[in-house]
Amino acid sequence: QVQLQESGPGLVKPSQTLSLTCTVSGGSISSGDYYWSWIRQPPGKGLEWIGYIYYSGSTYYNPSLKSRVTISVDTSKNQFSLKLSSVTAADTAVYYCARELSDLGLDPWGQGTLVTVSS
Amino acid sequence: EIVLTQSPATLSLSPGERATLSCRASQSVSSYLAWYQQKPGQAPRLLIYDASNRATGIPARFSGSGSGTDFTLTISSLEPEDFAVYYCQQRSNWPPGTFGPGTKVDIK
Repeated sequence: QVQLQESGPGLVKPSQTLSLTCTVSGGSISSGDYYWSWIRQPPGKGLEWIGYIYYSGSTYYNPSLKSRVTISVDTSKNQFSLKLSSVTAADTAVYYCARELSDLGLDPWGQGTLVTVSS
Repeated sequence: EIVLTQSPATLSLSPGERATLSCRASQSVSSYLAWYQQKPGQAPRLLIYDASNRATGIPARFSGSGSGTDFTLTISSLEPEDFAVYYCQQRSNWPPGTFGPGTKVDIK
């Protein structure tokens, strides 16, 4: 079955850019049925949907983060990536990647990776 | 933006009891609502989609109902592994898919 795994630095300095990669195994990211999404969860808080990318490269970002977010895809590596610029302590969170179907939801999810913004 | 509210914030129950969780939308989402379960230290897991359809591998004790603005997730008889946080997510005005704040089901 499809599995997703996040990777990237666990510590980012304020004002810098957070960069994470999600590697998809057990299925092709180029399948036209799915979107590939990022979601985050600050410690002890709820879930915030960040955005998605389609294998063709089309994207949609949460309006609340749109000015700072870029999601890209590398179909040759079966990976997609998240960049979040100008980070502050408020961006400290567990970041999850997930496969998404528009009419069903997010399934499955990666295990998540904690990113702390601190000097 | 569609806002979801969940109640109660915390539900304290014993194993074997019935759990009833509520999710209310600020405007109609038809049946485009999903439920997720999140256990401590784990990623969320899709339980229910389209308000009432169980995702693959989800036990029959989990059921969803509702349409429009009012939705319910019911766990017919709580197992020890069901104590977790449950989130609803609207899929009607997607993207973005906004989440509710969650209901924590803990052991009484």
